[in-house]
Amino acid sequence: AQTVTQSQPEMSVQEAETVTLSCTYDTSESNYYLFWYKQPPSRQMILVIRQEAYKQQNATENRFSVNFQKAAKSFSLKISDSQLGDTAMYFCAFMKFYGNAGNMLTFGGGTRLMVKP
Amino acid sequence: EAGVTQFPSHSVIEKGQTVTLRCDPISGHDNLYWYRRVMGKEIKFLLHFVKESKQDESGMPNNRFLAERTGGTYSTLKVQPAELEDSGVYFCASSQRGRTYEQYFGPGTRLTVT
Repeated sequence: AQTVTQSQPEMSVQEAETVTLSCTYDTSESNYYLFWYKQPPSRQMILVIRQEAYKQQNATENRFSVNFQKAAKSFSLKISDSQLGDTAMYFCAFMKFYGNAGNMLTFGGGTRLMVKP
Repeated sequence: EAGVTQFPSHSVIEKGQTVTLRCDPISGHDNLYWYRRVMGKEIKFLLHFVKESKQDESGMPNNRFLAERTGGTYSTLKVQPAELEDSGVYFCASSQRGRTYEQYFGPGTRLTVT
């Protein structure tokens, strides 16, 4: 079974600064996806960024980027130029790669991020 | 295009009562998932439908939970009888066939059992 661990229950950052959220995972799979989801106070959870394990290049989406260390089973999220709208709960998640078959997400416990003005 | 919707947004029931949660996936999405987050714990997978068939129900906690997806459209999750430990937020997600790595989540239903 897979496990995902987020060691930082809460974090805060000043607006315009950079923050890094940590995530580690444990799996014996070789092909998988990793995700960061964001859940703002309004509760709708949205996908921030996705990383395929077979890709060595770290994924980037505008101000969001990841540091994927496959050997260390680490998948951190860096938010640059933090904005007030980044205030949310962030979840790291894992999915085994089964091609076209449906599959479930395994989530970490979440990190609550507060961006301060 | 409408996103995943869930009804109700919040439900408060007494222990022993029955509650039915509803999820409407994005139109055309064959895959539908249920997850839940109980207080202080991780979000956990409950089950997965492909159209109207249950693909994986390994996360269903016990036989008090019954999920259906009539006609491969919306899905319901019934809890009968509800227990205190069932309190939490129930999320629904959907994805297109062949794109299971893109799961779109609904806003969740907060269930409180008193």
